[in-house]
Amino acid sequence: DAGVIQSPRHEVTEMGQEVTLRCKPISGHDYLFWYRQTMMRGLELLIYFNNNVPIDDSGMPEDRFSAKMPNASFSTLKIQPSEPRDSAVYFCASNNRAGGLPHSYNEQFFGPGTRLTVL
Amino acid sequence: GIQVEQSPPDLILQEGANSTLRCNFSDSVNNLQWFHQNPWGQLINLFYIPSGTKQNGRLSATTVATERYSLLYISSSQTTDSGVYFCAASNSGYALNFGKGTSLLVTP
Repeated sequence: DAGVIQSPRHEVTEMGQEVTLRCKPISGHDYLFWYRQTMMRGLELLIYFNNNVPIDDSGMPEDRFSAKMPNASFSTLKIQPSEPRDSAVYFCASNNRAGGLPHSYNEQFFGPGTRLTVL
Repeated sequence: GIQVEQSPPDLILQEGANSTLRCNFSDSVNNLQWFHQNPWGQLINLFYIPSGTKQNGRLSATTVATERYSLLYISSSQTTDSGVYFCAASNSGYALNFGKGTSLLVTP
């Protein structure tokens, strides 16, 4: 299995520009998560999807951030306009919650991350 | 959401030494995972262990769910074990809440 794939791996942009991060989850996984890692706040959830539907976006910092999942094999996280404080590593993760039950196996697997620098 | 606390925050070991990392969590969990973040920033799955004990080579982990803690044991440490170890837990079965991590440096 190829694992979770993210692109680009590194992105450097200028303040005010639009940034789009991409993620391909593991085939067959029906949950997709976007996390952000910063020195100040550590690893925190931004949003997650189940069967392509956004379930919880309470972690999205503000309206400049948006996420979509048009199909089971692709998701994007967009920042428009970007600001220097958005500089962070953005991780995508997926899992397959076997049986859909609360106590079923639900190990999450992470992509390699996108390191975003906004100048 | 569930609170996750890890200790110690930093650890320096000489190669060959053993260590124990601790993770306390504030509520019952149905997902608990240990990760190793390597120097390249990748999060590597070590254990999925909401309860019980597992072993994988020189690493083992134990979660005592009733007492709300998990331990990660590293035996005969190697320089390649250096990095940050994260514990993450969930009581909803969905998104993970991460601790602040234990930064481990293994010296030759």
